[in-house]
Amino acid sequence: GQQLNQSPQSMFIQEGEDVSMNCTSSSIFNTWLWYKQEPGEGPVLLIALYKAGELTSNGRLTAQFGITRKDSFLNISASIPSDVGIYFCAGPQTSYDKVIFGPGTSLSVIP
Amino acid sequence: DAGITQSPRHKVTETGTPVTLRCHQTENHRYMYWYRQDPGHGLRLIHYSYGVKDTDKGEVSDGYSVSRSKTEDFLLTLESATSSQTSVYFCAAWGGANGQAFFGQGTRLTVV
Repeated sequence: GQQLNQSPQSMFIQEGEDVSMNCTSSSIFNTWLWYKQEPGEGPVLLIALYKAGELTSNGRLTAQFGITRKDSFLNISASIPSDVGIYFCAGPQTSYDKVIFGPGTSLSVIP
Repeated sequence: DAGITQSPRHKVTETGTPVTLRCHQTENHRYMYWYRQDPGHGLRLIHYSYGVKDTDKGEVSDGYSVSRSKTEDFLLTLESATSSQTSVYFCAAWGGANGQAFFGQGTRLTVV
């Protein structure tokens, strides 16, 4: 079945730095979702992308739906300590029946 | 959180006992999902439902069953709990095309 891969697996950055992470698949996705999970909490949706080439922002976060529909990117500008968490990409497999997740990118921000 | 409530939030049970986790949603979403989250594995889909009484298996369904008798409730049952089922379980609901998946706060299950 379809699988999602995320890179990097983990990141340690200085406060104020910009962050880039990506999500790739061997198959086409029609929707890309980016979630953030903080310790002890469920994942919270950050950005949803529905069209190839789409670029969407949510505050300091920007995500792009890759033209090939096999990848997506998430950027965080001017990172702050509360950006710490695990970032997951996700998408429905072919239909909306199964929503699968990537393994996550763990972000640590050093004040 | 789109009105998704999981219960219980924490449970400790003994090996071999049956366990049922409940997910309740208030938004009338058609699709509901159960995931487990373990270190190094991210979120893995156990079972999902695409309507009342319509369910199907995910990637790690062995040892689990589900039921959905009402739109708002999706139950996950461990018929005979094993230590390998110690995990954090998340329920999610999806609003369909151009919608989004929203999560509950999770249930931490420990099988001793």
